[in-house]
Amino acid sequence: ELKVEQNPLFLSMQEGKNYTIYCNYSTTSDRLYWYRQDPGKSLESLFVLLSNGAVKQEGRLMASLDTKARLSTLHITAAVHDLSATYFCAVDEDSNYQLIWGAGTKLIIKP
Amino acid sequence: DAGVIQSPRHEVTEMGQEVTLRCKPISGHDYLFWYRQTMMRGLELLIYFNNNVPIDDSGMPEDRFSAKMPNASFSTLKIQPSEPRDSAVYFCASSRQGLSPLHFGNGTRLTVT
Repeated sequence: ELKVEQNPLFLSMQEGKNYTIYCNYSTTSDRLYWYRQDPGKSLESLFVLLSNGAVKQEGRLMASLDTKARLSTLHITAAVHDLSATYFCAVDEDSNYQLIWGAGTKLIIKP
Repeated sequence: DAGVIQSPRHEVTEMGQEVTLRCKPISGHDYLFWYRQTMMRGLELLIYFNNNVPIDDSGMPEDRFSAKMPNASFSTLKIQPSEPRDSAVYFCASSRQGLSPLHFGNGTRLTVT
């Protein structure tokens, strides 16, 4: 059974700092997704990582995928308050279009 | 594009009543997914459709839950009878193909008293 583990589950940080969220998964997959969810809102797609070594960047967020280590990271550079949200990673198991979701990392960025 | 449209946004009902949630996917998307989100269990896939055909409903918790997709632009999730433990936010999502990211609707917050 595919498991997806995120850590940390909760992160409080100061503006201007850098930090990384980790997403580990238990079986081979080369498709990983990152989503953002604001409180009481829907989920918004951030990144789609489709191969080993894939790296994508959008503003202060950068995501990478290492399929050999079964690890994806979401790096936040010089955090700003607007990035406060819950971040989910999800893995596509066996190409059957069923995403297995991590529990989410709740990120709070203090001014 | 209007995005995925769900209705109602909020639903409060009494235990035993029938609840119907509605979803209009993005035009041209072949896949439609129904998810449930709770604090305790996180995001759970209930069922998904491809070209209006249910592909996997193994996530549907009980026979009280049913879903239909009569055409490419409409899907329903029905709970009959509803129970307090069904209280959650129900999301509908669609995608163009399997590798594409999911586009989520705004969700329906269901409260069963």
